Amino acid sequence: DARVTQTPRDKVTEMGQEVTMRCQPILGHNTVFWYRQTMKQGLELLAYFRNRAPLDDSGMPKDRFSAEMPDATLATLKIQPSEPRDSAVYFCASGPSRGSGEQYFGPGTRLTVT
Amino acid sequence: GDSVTQMEGPVTLSEEAFLTINCTYTATGYPSLFWYVQYPGEGLQLLLKATKADDKGSNKGFEATYRKETTSFHLEKGSVQVSDSAVYFCALSESSGDKLTFGTGTRLAVRP
Repeated sequence: DARVTQTPRDKVTEMGQEVTMRCQPILGHNTVFWYRQTMKQGLELLAYFRNRAPLDDSGMPKDRFSAEMPDATLATLKIQPSEPRDSAVYFCASGPSRGSGEQYFGPGTRLTVT
Repeated sequence: GDSVTQMEGPVTLSEEAFLTINCTYTATGYPSLFWYVQYPGEGLQLLLKATKADDKGSNKGFEATYRKETTSFHLEKGSVQVSDSAVYFCALSESSGDKLTFGTGTRLAVRP
């Protein structure tokens, strides 16, 4: 049963520290998405990739967030420096084909910035 | 732009009650429509989908019919269980698009 994996599952850090979240998409999927979920804002799309190329990162605060896909099996989301308002659950999702609309979500990384 | 509107929650039902969660959409083309479910502490899971008008998606006893004339995709289940307690998200994607436009989610709580 293929799944999207994310690490770490939980992260507590102090304001100003760098945070890196990792995602392994389902093998063979060619789209990868990063989302942030908070009670206040709900589910927000931060960035997405197709065939490892970044297509849209308009939802991401550019000054502190960056997203990359160094290879087809790894996507990373980095926050530097982190702030308390970044506290949220970050989800990675992957999709099997263009236009299907199907996305398979990982279990999320719960980030707490103190 | 595209948008999805869902009924406000929470929806609280007794076990074996009938469930309807309303969803309407606005889109420029011919979107595909989806229901995703999020159980506590987990990521979203695809529950069902429909890709064209009058299609019915179904899974795990849940059903939704793509109604182009009313731009709706209401989720229904005839008899809910406690294990159905979760947040349900309606979503759409434009044809040939990758991105999903999500509704705000509707929390369902089922009492024994």
